[in-house]
Amino acid sequence: DAGITQSPRHKVTETGTPVTLRCHQTENHRYMYWYRQDPGHGLRLIHYSYGVKDTDKGEVSDGYSVSRSKTEDFLLTLESATSSQTSVYFCAISDRGQGFVGELFFGEGSRLTVL
Amino acid sequence: ILNVEQSPQSLHVQEGDSTNFTCSFPSSNFYALHWYRWETAKSPEALFVMTLNGDEKKKGRISATLNTKEGYSYLYIKGSQPEDSATYLCAPNRDDKIIFGKGTRLHILP
Repeated sequence: DAGITQSPRHKVTETGTPVTLRCHQTENHRYMYWYRQDPGHGLRLIHYSYGVKDTDKGEVSDGYSVSRSKTEDFLLTLESATSSQTSVYFCAISDRGQGFVGELFFGEGSRLTVL
Repeated sequence: ILNVEQSPQSLHVQEGDSTNFTCSFPSSNFYALHWYRWETAKSPEALFVMTLNGDEKKKGRISATLNTKEGYSYLYIKGSQPEDSATYLCAPNRDDKIIFGKGTRLHILP
């Protein structure tokens, strides 16, 4: 199994508070992704990183920011959490194939509840 | 943002029967097409990453084909078993983004 861990695994917070989720990998993979899982929507891409300090927006990036200061860590921050951000968040990592992104390896997910 | 369509949304199949479902995606700027299997309460796991038009891949009873010119891929499951019950996701890769379809939820009936 790919070495990828997410923390915290569960968090309950209140509306308006900041929240940071951490994704840590030991595989030295180039790509890291943050997705959210919601009923009826499947997995939606929030932000992704294609290298240290290189990040870009996904489908649902409003209200989220990310940082990647070193290869192994990709942080997802909710500056001011809202109830609509209650979700399960998945981190995924990948390396590059020949001209494409290789298979994704997923973390176990972080369940966030915003009251 | 990529428009990825999977059909059907949900499927009930008798154990032992074979089945297939579809993923359609924009054919422009295509890099690769990923298929994942996602069991309830677990994380998605990769089945295939396909890049070439006409490509076919197989893993046990599961296989997939790819048509990059018209923008679709089929996933086939032969002789369905209870352990095949899961959501099957496809995701085209373009510009380093991996955008998922909403998936096909497969239920195997005993």
